[in-house]
Amino acid sequence: ETGVTQTPRHLVMGMTNKKSLKCEQHLGHNAMYWYKQSAKKPLELMFVYNFKEQTENNSVPSRFSPECPNSSHLFLHLHTLQPEDSALYLCASSPLAGGGTGELFFGEGSRLTVL
Amino acid sequence: GESVGLHLPTLSVQEGDNSIINCAYSNSASDYFIWYKQESGKGPQFIIDIRSNMDKRQGQRVTVLLNKTVKHLSLQIAATQPGDSAVYFCAEGFGNEKLTFGTGTRLTIIP
Repeated sequence: ETGVTQTPRHLVMGMTNKKSLKCEQHLGHNAMYWYKQSAKKPLELMFVYNFKEQTENNSVPSRFSPECPNSSHLFLHLHTLQPEDSALYLCASSPLAGGGTGELFFGEGSRLTVL
Repeated sequence: GESVGLHLPTLSVQEGDNSIINCAYSNSASDYFIWYKQESGKGPQFIIDIRSNMDKRQGQRVTVLLNKTVKHLSLQIAATQPGDSAVYFCAEGFGNEKLTFGTGTRLTIIP
């Protein structure tokens, strides 16, 4: 138990579907992140939220839309995805984004398959 | 751009032996480095970190060594156990910049 919970753990969707990934952290952190993990590639940072404000969008296509209603919850809304978007999507939190410690607390990920 | 890379994608070690996982980095301005462990079906988990003003740091059964001269980072795991089987990532950071992760090394402990 890392204190960061992601749902669903597995998701299969068609290219025309709309779905959402949810992340919740119980650590009292102020920063939350979405990462994409594909096979044989480094973790790719997608979005960073600090105190509910988006502070980084790493050139992510608009078919991925994040939402951070409060410091404990983070969503990733998915719309009109492509098969190459199939990956493990990891949520993470830290006390403060850019705090210099680098310690991120990751959830177990949502395995997304786009058909 | 800057990148973090690993020398070997896979490593197999006999249970009880020590293992060493290596990492090369290219940003000489990076001031902290982190090792993460990712077990199958789980997210990465922080193991240990080291700042650039240190060359060695020890944890429980793990030691991280930093050689800034050759931009090399290593993770040593002593007396490996089956639970050490996982993918290990190194990551580097600079100031308040986001972490840059390597692709990972898969460590397999042979019983």
